[in-house]
Amino acid sequence: KAGVTQTPRYLIKTRGQQVTLSCSPISGHRSVSWYQQTPGQGLQFLFEYFSETQRNKGNFPGRFSGRQFSNSRSEMNVSTLELGDSALYLCASSLVAGSETQYFGPGTRLLVL
Amino acid sequence: AQSVTQLDSQVPVFEEAPVELRCNYSSSVSVYLFWYVQYPNQGLQLLLKYLSGSTLVKGINGFEAEFNKSQTSFHLRKPSVHISDTAEYFCAVSEMDSSYKLIFGSGTRLLVRP
Repeated sequence: KAGVTQTPRYLIKTRGQQVTLSCSPISGHRSVSWYQQTPGQGLQFLFEYFSETQRNKGNFPGRFSGRQFSNSRSEMNVSTLELGDSALYLCASSLVAGSETQYFGPGTRLLVL
Repeated sequence: AQSVTQLDSQVPVFEEAPVELRCNYSSSVSVYLFWYVQYPNQGLQLLLKYLSGSTLVKGINGFEAEFNKSQTSFHLRKPSVHISDTAEYFCAVSEMDSSYKLIFGSGTRLLVRP
């Protein structure tokens, strides 16, 4: 069974631009969570989607948003990029919402110049 | 609010020596506990998890961890490490509430030397 896939793997943007990252969960998994990893703040929860609905949201500004499609694929969007948004963005999938085990993808590394 | 503390930012050890990576957590409710490993330029791989039952949990690659509720700890151990174990290790908890989001520690870099 294929794992979690994330595209693109690497991305370079400039301040003020917006970016969209994509995540395809493991087949049959219906819940997708997003995390941001930075050297300074470590791994932080962004949000979780299940059945096309956002279930939980972390403590991030409104510039960070996401959505989930009927096939469980998810996208996250960051608008008006700031230098501090440079990070590794990790997507994790689980069977259902509230499932205790999450499986992570390889991440998308975003560099904001 | 729950939190996870990994006191050691880096643990150097010689190949074939035993290792213990420490993890302590705080939470007002029951939690699930996890250890993940991250190799350079990769995502997180689940090593092991504690959900309930036996407090000694065995995972992949010869790792094991013991849940100690009274000390709120979940230390990771391996009796004999290999060069290939060099990586970043993250302890995480999720509370048994409606959220289940993962709260991570700051990570411990395991450096295995020949």
